[in-house]
Amino acid sequence: DTGVSQDPRHKITKRGQNVTFRCDPISEHNRLYWYRQTLGQGPEFLTYFQNEAQLEKSRLLSDRFSAERPKGSFSTLEIQRTEQGDSAMYLCASSFPGQGFAGELFFGEGSRLTVL
Amino acid sequence: AQTVTQSQPEMSVQEAETVTLSCTYDTSESNYYLFWYKQPPSRQMILVIRQEAYKQQNATENRFSVNFQKAAKSFSLKISDSQLGDTAMYFCAFMRGGYQKVTFGTGTKLQVIP
Repeated sequence: DTGVSQDPRHKITKRGQNVTFRCDPISEHNRLYWYRQTLGQGPEFLTYFQNEAQLEKSRLLSDRFSAERPKGSFSTLEIQRTEQGDSAMYLCASSFPGQGFAGELFFGEGSRLTVL
Repeated sequence: AQTVTQSQPEMSVQEAETVTLSCTYDTSESNYYLFWYKQPPSRQMILVIRQEAYKQQNATENRFSVNFQKAAKSFSLKISDSQLGDTAMYFCAFMRGGYQKVTFGTGTKLQVIP
């Protein structure tokens, strides 16, 4: 296993279109996170899964955003009716609460969204 | 809500010198964890070092060490013998104990100059 992978790496879309990002976590990791990062800012929490259950969703996330993690493996993040303000890097991270766990997140390289 | 503040947007250091990045946080919790993550240009973010709040001893990982001042809610990162590969964005992060959400600061862009 080579780590967390995200696809696509870069997506350019027109305003109003729907986009979907996929994240494949490290195989034994049962926790999966989505973060959004804009230029010059730190990652902003969007949502978090433990196995297939979505346990928390940021209040900042509009109804246009939805995330799923069927069967507790890969996850998808869909943005409907994209707006220019959605342009950002979308980061996926995973973790596993094994012995000595203290919150380390393993990140993917991110999916960059550009909304024209 | 917890907040993490990094007041140095950019810093530079000469190769082989030492640099300290600052971070302060605000929480009413007593059980929590603090982290420094590194994000090299166009590469994924990786964990540099972590500190459990209940531990008084400052964490150390090779050239990286922290100065954890719990009463002052301060968590600085010291990089000794800076190397060109240390050039990156550095993010301070906070996680409440027993909870899984990690909150990040705005980051410090570190440039190591040859």
